[in-house]
Amino acid sequence: SQQGEEDPQALSIQEGENATMNCSYKTSINNLQWYRQNSGRGLVHLILIRSNEREKHSGRLRVTLDTSKKSSSLLITASRAADTASYFCATLTGGGNKLTFGTGTQLKVEL
Amino acid sequence: DTEVTQTPKHLVMGMTNKKSLKCEQHMGHRAMYWYKQKAKKPPELMFVYSYEKLSINESVPSRFSPECPNSSLLNLHLHALQPEDSALYLCASSQTGPSGANVLTFGAGSRLTVL
Repeated sequence: SQQGEEDPQALSIQEGENATMNCSYKTSINNLQWYRQNSGRGLVHLILIRSNEREKHSGRLRVTLDTSKKSSSLLITASRAADTASYFCATLTGGGNKLTFGTGTQLKVEL
Repeated sequence: DTEVTQTPKHLVMGMTNKKSLKCEQHMGHRAMYWYKQKAKKPPELMFVYSYEKLSINESVPSRFSPECPNSSLLNLHLHALQPEDSALYLCASSQTGPSGANVLTFGAGSRLTVL
């Protein structure tokens, strides 16, 4: 079952612009993670934010978490053509190892 | 070694065949996962093994049979599949411990086509 809904479903921007993706989820979480997937390949972990954190940075990535609204956003600054990929939020729930992925945002960065 | 290796990369099988997907990691991770991903959809969790024991089965049909022979290997045995089972099958692993982590390292996937 799906925990997260992401919007937009697809996003097309010019190189150098910022890209923002949003994720909403339904139940209480332990942490929220963002992953990237290049076409038809495995996913790569980008960043993790814990439920007691509000904002986190890693290089050109900035993630925010609002547990009262059950939402998160991923900002990629100064985008590059190589950032073209699908981006998924994923939530860890319960005390086990269940990581559930959101619907994903397809990002296209054009030269 | 920071990789998860999946074989084969591509597999075509008939509905009466028996085949297996294999996954290997040498990062000392004690949790291993199978996900199924259809085109333009998110990965869907199928199974989780923790310390070589099956801890999560997301009501997957019995034509999919997971096996974890040791802490480095994870197999997915396939039998009597249907065309709708065609998908990208992703293996992942993670450290275990406090539930605040569980960052997954994914393999490149095995693309399965059932004829």
